[in-house]
Amino acid sequence: NAGVTQTPKFRVLKTGQSMTLLCAQDMNHEYMYWYRQDPGMGLRLIHYSVGEGTTAKGEVPDGYNVSRLKKQNFLLGLESAAPSQTSVYFCASRYTGRNTEAFFGQGTRLTVV
Amino acid sequence: AQSVTQLGSHVSVSEGALVLLRCNYSSSVPPYLFWYVQYPNQGLQLLLKYTSAATLVKGINGFEAEFKKSETSFHLTKPSAHMSDAAEYFCAVNSGGSNYKLTFGKGTLLTVNP
Repeated sequence: NAGVTQTPKFRVLKTGQSMTLLCAQDMNHEYMYWYRQDPGMGLRLIHYSVGEGTTAKGEVPDGYNVSRLKKQNFLLGLESAAPSQTSVYFCASRYTGRNTEAFFGQGTRLTVV
Repeated sequence: AQSVTQLGSHVSVSEGALVLLRCNYSSSVPPYLFWYVQYPNQGLQLLLKYTSAATLVKGINGFEAEFKKSETSFHLTKPSAHMSDAAEYFCAVNSGGSNYKLTFGKGTLLTVNP
């Protein structure tokens, strides 16, 4: 079972460059999330989606955009990368309902120089 | 509003000793609570979850957690630590009016000494 797959796993960007992180899930989940993980900060929600064609801002959305054109895919874009966006990015998905757990991808380690 | 506080960013135990990782939550409605584990360079995976069926919840790898409403706590325990338990552990809560939101604590790094 593939579960949640993130592409790429590693990337180095120069300041000002753009890139897109892809998240794909094969569990037919409605909800999808993008988090960033930084030392001592835990997981912080960037953007999320509650269904195909819908997106919403999380707690740290600035500098990022997202799209969910297909139910199984959730894209995270950085239009103009900054060193402050150096982080590990995780995608997650889950079924609807408050008692459902999230399934996570393996993460994307992004360094902006 | 919902929130989670994990007491202790780093816990160190000896192999074979009791593991206790603390989690307190804040919620205006009955919460659903989760513990996740993250091994180095990997994503998070579910250890266990509380969904109101039973206050003592058993998870994978010998871990368990007890929901205590009076203390607003959901501490994670394991009777005997193993070297392979070394990882970062995250507590999470879902108790908001909109059921999409899962809020994570800042994590506790568990070190197991031989």
